[in-house]
This record gives sequence, C-alpha cells and structure tokens, in this order.
Amino acid sequence: DSGVTQTPKHLITATGQRVTLRCSPRSGDLSVYWYQQSLDQGLQFLIHYYNGEERAKGNILERFSAQQFPDLHSELNLSSLELGDSALYFCASSIGAAGDTQYFGPGTRLTVL
Amino acid sequence: AQTVTQSQPEMSVQEAETVTLSCTYDTSESDYYLFWYKQPPSRQMILVIRQEAYKQQNATENRFSVNFQKAAKSFSLKISDSQLGDAAMYFCAYRNPNNNDMRFGAGTRLTVKP
Repeated sequence: DSGVTQTPKHLITATGQRVTLRCSPRSGDLSVYWYQQSLDQGLQFLIHYYNGEERAKGNILERFSAQQFPDLHSELNLSSLELGDSALYFCASSIGAAGDTQYFGPGTRLTVL
Repeated sequence: AQTVTQSQPEMSVQEAETVTLSCTYDTSESDYYLFWYKQPPSRQMILVIRQEAYKQQNATENRFSVNFQKAAKSFSLKISDSQLGDAAMYFCAYRNPNNNDMRFGAGTRLTVKP
C-alpha cells in the first residue's frame, strides 16, 4: 500500500458524459501527478500540482482539467468523454516538486461505452 | 524532448536465474532522475529502484540492481535470483527536475518460469 488513495476504483459511463476522479496523496506529500494508461500501453503524464499550484502539463486534452485543493487532495475532471478516453488513470504523489520519488495510487479504471 | 526506449517488449527468465532489462533515454540535461517501476497483474505501479544522474554508484535494492551508463544514456535493470512474484510489466522512467516532466518507456513484460 503506497498511501495514495484514489476513488472510485471503477467507473463506467457513456460518451459525452463528464466524470470526476479523486486522489488523496500520502500524508505529508505536497505534489500530485495524474497519468493515463491506455490498454497495454505505457503511462502518459497529464498534469502536476504542487501545493495547490499547477506546475507542469503533459499530454492533457483540453476536455480534461484538474485542481488541487487546500487539503492537498486533487480531482481530475474529464468531460465530453469519448470511447478513446477509456483507460486506467493513476494519481501519484511526492514530497516535493523536483526529483522526488513518486508513489502511485491503485488507479481508477474508466470505461466509456 | 526526452524519450525513453525499452527495446524488449517481452522477456523470460527461469526461476532463480538472472535477467537484465534494457532501457535507453534521450536527454540534453546533465541532472535528472531515473526509475524502474513494476506493474503486476493488479496494475498497481510499484517503485523498484531509483538512480540520481549525479551519482556514479549504481543503485541496488536487494535482488534488484541497475547498470547506469550516463555517457551511453543507458539504464538497465538486473534482477538476480528471479522469483515467481517478479513476473510483471517493468517500466523505465526518466524525470527532468527542471520542468517536472516524467517520461515512461513502453514497458517490458517479464515472465518467470518455474
């Protein structure tokens, strides 16, 4: 158990809908990262927040957005969902913002029908 | 752009034997971090080992060790005394501390034969 929690574990929805994925970092970690892993593929970095501020953006679609709240939990919002958005979405956390090791949550599996 | 290449989509090893997984990366930075993560069938991403580029000494964690060749931009993972529980996808990752970008390779699927 990494100490990072993600909810829900599974999510099934229809095309065009909007969903919110939630992540709580390890106690004491200020950074939260979001990744997307499509079937049998590597991880694509989406976005990084540090202590409430956006620090880096990766391959995140405009239909996706995220934020980190004062209690340091983070939410990833996915809207106008398409079939291709079906994937495993991971959240990771680290103490700082630079080269610290990232610890991953168990992931949220999103299925868009 | 920094890219990470894992040239072995699949590898197989006999239980108790040693296997080496390859990883190369491309970067113009001198300071960065490298990682190996393991993803078993549960899909949980588990940190195996970490290497700071400024350290010449290769990192070691029990049965796991790396061969870090900075000039060659190579970062291979050696698993000694392989166990059935080592069977998983292994991902090599590169992190640039300047822009916080983290890049993963496509992964190597390791099978351990009893």
